[in-house]
Amino acid sequence: QQQVKQSPQSLIVQKGGISIINCAYENTAFDYFPWYQQFPGKGPALLIAIRPDVSEKKEGRFTISFNKSAKQFSLHIMDSQPGDSATYFCAATHQTGANNLFFGTGTRLTVIP
Amino acid sequence: SAVISQKPSRDICQRGTSLTIQCQVDSQVTMMFWYRQQPGQSLTLIATANQGSEATYESGFVIDKFPISRPNLTFSTLTVSNMSPEDSSIYLCSVATSFQETQYFGPGTRLLVL
Repeated sequence: QQQVKQSPQSLIVQKGGISIINCAYENTAFDYFPWYQQFPGKGPALLIAIRPDVSEKKEGRFTISFNKSAKQFSLHIMDSQPGDSATYFCAATHQTGANNLFFGTGTRLTVIP
Repeated sequence: SAVISQKPSRDICQRGTSLTIQCQVDSQVTMMFWYRQQPGQSLTLIATANQGSEATYESGFVIDKFPISRPNLTFSTLTVSNMSPEDSSIYLCSVATSFQETQYFGPGTRLLVL
């Protein structure tokens, strides 16, 4: 059973555009929601993360929007650049519990120059 | 964040053999984890490596197939035993500096089993 559902599977955006990736979860015990960026041949790198006590977190061009009642969260990449082309994974965990990360299925983003 | 290294970075192995993957962190960490990422797929947790005690395995993963050691707070190994082509994957270790901190990943070990 997929604990975190992620869409779309792939995304093509023009340079300067906005990339939006969506995730949904079921387990209300989850209390920490990180996003990871993975380039080919590399391990996932933490991009940005949010806790459910806030509805939005912004770091540079990257913003997480969080809807606790809908159990959904999304990543917005503003002014997308070719260097943003990578696979993005949302994840969720219960940090006050086992702290196991449950990953979404990933979104392969391609930013066209 | 901690600097994490893994050895080997990649390997090609024959069916029926075993491979031990090492994960080294440059500072003491509370938690260490091992994940598997099959080609083009997401990450799946194999087990939590516990210092000084047996690892905690997730459903579908067993100690006989994936024995794990964690002798101290900066080092862990994962062995993939009696390998088959289905074990071809990227194996990643991750660490968290405390129980409520985020996880950081190593560069991964790319394993191909022929």
